[in-house]
Amino acid sequence: ETGVTQTPRHLVMGMTNKKSLKCEQHLGHNAMYWYKQSAKKPLELMFVYSLEERVENNSVPSRFSPECPNSSHLFLHLHTLQPEDSALYLCASSQEVSTGSGQPQHFGDGTRLSIL
Amino acid sequence: SQKIEQNSEALNIQEGKTATLTCNYTNYSPAYLQWYRQDPGRGPVFLLLIRENEKEKRKERLKVTFDTTLKQSLFHITASQPADSATYLCALGGGGTYKYIFGTGTRLKVLA
Repeated sequence: ETGVTQTPRHLVMGMTNKKSLKCEQHLGHNAMYWYKQSAKKPLELMFVYSLEERVENNSVPSRFSPECPNSSHLFLHLHTLQPEDSALYLCASSQEVSTGSGQPQHFGDGTRLSIL
Repeated sequence: SQKIEQNSEALNIQEGKTATLTCNYTNYSPAYLQWYRQDPGRGPVFLLLIRENEKEKRKERLKVTFDTTLKQSLFHITASQPADSATYLCALGGGGTYKYIFGTGTRLKVLA
């Protein structure tokens, strides 16, 4: 299997539930990202990992907790979410985190999250 | 604050014509600009990268221009086909940060 794989593709949860989103990349990349995509809004960067070390936490509420056990896997742990957290959550990877090279990001197909 | 504007209205064009999408930005000096394609229910797919010192880039039927004076990029699809129908996103990066800033995207529909 190649590319970036996200599971589950769809998730419905209540505000008091705890769930996790999973992302796996088979590209040998060193950087991984979590984005939130809401209707009519641009992609919002949430977290950035470089070689399993978090390098960016973009003012994300603590009810979202990332985990990167190795450079191929990325998780987003969810707890006590709010209805406004309903969105498409996208995982991406790139060869490395770089300020000037413009490396393309490879995205998974996302998890569609609905909070009841 | 940094801002990217893409035409939020859908763009409908006839098959065979050239589609032109616009990406304008303010309060930013990007080192590069990228274009992505996103189909419904799918993640964005990288199409083209253009750097600040490049005026134009081409790839098959795609052409991107980058005008750092106007703070604008134009994305052209020549000989458009119904299969080109999708949402196209522009993203800026560089300028001392590894963050990518995305626009909201423009939905293109090519009519047969």
